[in-house]
Amino acid sequence: NAGVTQTPKFRVLKTGQSMTLLCAQDMNHEYMYWYRQDPGMGLRLIHYSVGEGTTAKGEVPDGYNVSRLKKQNFLLGLESAAPSQTSVYFCASSSTGTNVLKQYFGPGTRLTVT
Amino acid sequence: GDSVTQMEGPVTLSEEAFLTINCTYTATGYPSLFWYVQYPGEGLQLLLKATKADDKGSNKGFEATYRKETTSFHLEKGSVQVSDSAVYFCALGFVSGGYNKLIFGAGTRLAVHP
Repeated sequence: NAGVTQTPKFRVLKTGQSMTLLCAQDMNHEYMYWYRQDPGMGLRLIHYSVGEGTTAKGEVPDGYNVSRLKKQNFLLGLESAAPSQTSVYFCASSSTGTNVLKQYFGPGTRLTVT
Repeated sequence: GDSVTQMEGPVTLSEEAFLTINCTYTATGYPSLFWYVQYPGEGLQLLLKATKADDKGSNKGFEATYRKETTSFHLEKGSVQVSDSAVYFCALGFVSGGYNKLIFGAGTRLAVHP
């Protein structure tokens, strides 16, 4: 059981370049999330999805777009990367019901924007 | 707004020492409380949780009690091992209108030496 997987693991971008981070989960979870982790700040929610075809903004959505075309995949896009987007990005998923707040995390993507 | 404050790290201990990592929170409602652990190179994993006041969460020798009167959820372990070296995140969570919200503290790095 792979759980939550993320690709790529590492990426270096130049300012203004674009990229897409892919998250996949095989647990049939309804909810999926994208976070960024910065030193001394914990994890902050970028966007989330409560089901296939739906997305919503989190705490820090500016500069990012997301799509959930398939239930198992959640894509995070950076259209024009900026140095302030240098961070570690984590995807997570959760089921509905009483365990909805138990989130399962992927291993992360370390992104550097120069 | 809602927030979580953790003691700053790193915390450095010898094997078999007693561990306490302090966590306090501010919340407008009645959140669930969580401890997540992040081992080197991996994503976050749920370590333990408590859903209401006076509940005690426990797992792998770690414990934390939901203290509403002091708004705290301190993590403890009686005898740490080298394998416990990781970053520990305290978090609070709400379910509200389909938005499953987790708010994380900044994390506390624990290093255990033989």
